[in-house]
Amino acid sequence: SQQGEEDPQALSIQEGENATMNCSYKTSINNLQWYRQNSGRGLVHLILIRSNEREKHSGRLRVTLDTSKKSSSLLITASRAADTASYFCATDGGAQKLVFGQGTRLTINP
Amino acid sequence: NAGVTQTPKFQVLKTGQSMTLQCAQDMNHNSMYWYRQDPGMGLRLIYYSASEGTTDKGEVPNGYNVSRLNKREFSLRLESAAPSQTSVYFCASRGGGSSTEAFFGQGTRLTVV
Repeated sequence: SQQGEEDPQALSIQEGENATMNCSYKTSINNLQWYRQNSGRGLVHLILIRSNEREKHSGRLRVTLDTSKKSSSLLITASRAADTASYFCATDGGAQKLVFGQGTRLTINP
Repeated sequence: NAGVTQTPKFQVLKTGQSMTLQCAQDMNHNSMYWYRQDPGMGLRLIYYSASEGTTDKGEVPNGYNVSRLNKREFSLRLESAAPSQTSVYFCASRGGGSSTEAFFGQGTRLTVV
């Protein structure tokens, strides 16, 4: 089974609202990353949080990491139609093995 | 700067045929990866290569083989294609150290009939 599991599987919100996606994982990690995918294209890296960090910001993105609960969340503030995409978390448990979750499909309605 | 290049972009195979998916990166990255993505699903790791000369199994290696030809190139081979291998295949590469981002190719859409 996959290391990362996102929820919800799908999320639909109005433009301007905030979107929160969650990721849970099973084993210890060095870091956790979030990626975005538009319409079946290649994934694009959004943000990385190390295992010794609890929160990180990048523009409208905020990521938290709780290693005791083995979970992370991605918050997108003030959503835009262009944020419509699938979002995936990925975990690196060491030895360069990078494993992805099943993703959250985010739809921003105008 | 091409980044990660995959060929071909599309392929239709008959059951039992073999083929090799090619991937090359020009970023001098140590690590390379092959993933498959089925409709509405996440990416599943097939094989990865942490450095030139090494390869390791991922989550779903059965039915596939890989070759890390050199630092730039990492190929994925299907020896006897099956309909269950119909998927979109993504190659990715990553620089040294675990705290680095992965860069992805545009994918190969493979259909096995």
